[in-house]
Amino acid sequence: AQKVTQAQTEISVVEKEDVTLDCVYETRDTTYYLFWYKQPPSGELVFLIRRNSFDEQNEISGRYSWNFQKSTSSFNFTITASQVVDSAVYFCALTTNTGNQFYFGTGTSLTVIP
Amino acid sequence: EAQVTQNPRYLITVTGKKLTVTCSQNMNHEYMSWYRQDPGLGLRQIYYSMNVEVTDKGDVPEGYKVSRKEKRNFPLILESPSPNQTSLYFCASSWATQETQYFGPGTRLLVL
Repeated sequence: AQKVTQAQTEISVVEKEDVTLDCVYETRDTTYYLFWYKQPPSGELVFLIRRNSFDEQNEISGRYSWNFQKSTSSFNFTITASQVVDSAVYFCALTTNTGNQFYFGTGTSLTVIP
Repeated sequence: EAQVTQNPRYLITVTGKKLTVTCSQNMNHEYMSWYRQDPGLGLRQIYYSMNVEVTDKGDVPEGYKVSRKEKRNFPLILESPSPNQTSLYFCASSWATQETQYFGPGTRLLVL
């Protein structure tokens, strides 16, 4: 069975601090895909990144970076120098090559305090 | 503009009154899906469709029906809504199962 765990329910940081959102996944498939989505207070779901299981390179996009470690089944998301606009709920998700379902974590609510 | 649309955006109904939430995408995507979002539970997949006339259950299909008669449309049907179906519903689409899903704006449903 597939599962995504986001143990951090809520995080608060002061603006300009760095923050890491944790994502731990479970799957027996060797080929799988991991995603991060952002849900700002306005409610829409915004795609941030997709990573396949064969690509363990870390990715950086501006202030955002992702650390994928197969050894610990984790796909963590770091925001550097956080800003108030980063305040949102962030979801990690998983799908596999052999299944057709998507599995989301329960989300981490990030509040950036000015 | 490439998008997924859902209607209505907000709906208040009463127990037992059948309703349909429509979902349409203009990206020619094969895969479409419905999710519900509840506090503390994240997004849970209700049903998904790999292509026209191909649908399958997700993790929480009870009380819902779907159909995929056309590639662009994937309506969610609640035949007899109950208060525990009060939730925020999202439709999504993608080229294939393993590809990035793009979400509609959401439908907030309240069942009294």
